[in-house]
Amino acid sequence: AQKVTQAQTEISVVEKEDVTLDCVYETRDTTYYLFWYKQPPSGELVFLIRRNSFDEQNEISGRYSWNFQKSTSSFNFTITASQVVDSAVYFCALSEGGRNTDKLIFGTGTRLQVFP
Amino acid sequence: DGGITQSPKYLFRKEGQNVTLSCEQNLNHDAMYWYRQDPGQGLRLIYYSQIVNDFQKGDIAEGYSVSREKKESFPLTVTSAQKNPTAFYLCASSHDRGGGYTFGSGTRLTVV
Repeated sequence: AQKVTQAQTEISVVEKEDVTLDCVYETRDTTYYLFWYKQPPSGELVFLIRRNSFDEQNEISGRYSWNFQKSTSSFNFTITASQVVDSAVYFCALSEGGRNTDKLIFGTGTRLQVFP
Repeated sequence: DGGITQSPKYLFRKEGQNVTLSCEQNLNHDAMYWYRQDPGQGLRLIYYSQIVNDFQKGDIAEGYSVSREKKESFPLTVTSAQKNPTAFYLCASSHDRGGGYTFGSGTRLTVV
C-alpha cells in the first residue's frame, strides 16, 4: 500500500538558517507523482512542486530546492536562508498511477517555525 | 479568477444533526476530493470523484456522503453517524491533463 512518512513533526530554526524537510514514500507503482504543499496559518494548501517518478533531476526555485532519490524513496525539501514567512506546515504527498486525477496520499506534515 | 470556493468558512452544528459542506470549482477540473484534517494527523481522504455521477470512498468515508451531479460541484454531507465530526475539511480538484491539485480554503466544522 502507498504511504508517505514525514518523520519530523516540528522544526524550529532562526532566520537565515538552511532547513531540510524529509519525506519518505512507499509505493508499488512504477509511475507516480510526488508533491510538496505549504499550509500557512490561514489553512489553504499552497502547491509548491510536482515531480513525476521518471524525473530524478533535482529542482531549484529561488530559495527552495528538492532532492528526489528513487533509490532511497525520498523526496526531501530544502529551504535556504529561511525567513519568518516560511513558517507553516509543509506536507509531502504521493499520487499513484500517473494520472492527475488519482487520489493524493499525504504525510502527517512538518511544522516549521522560523524565528527572527 | 478560477478557483475553488468552500462555504461556509466556519460552521457550528449540534450533535446529531446532518450538515452539508459546499465545494464549487470553476476550473473545469475533472476530479474533486474531500479531505479531513485533524491536528497532528495530516490530511485524510474521505471521498473522491474522477467523473460526474461517480465517486469512490477514501480511507475514512464512514459517516459521510457525497454527490457529483455537476462537474463543478461536490458537496459533502457529514451525517449523525460520524462519531467525531469536529475537524477542518478541505476540498480539492485536479485536471486529467496535468498540473497540480488545487485546494479550497477549507471549512472548519465544530459540533457542540
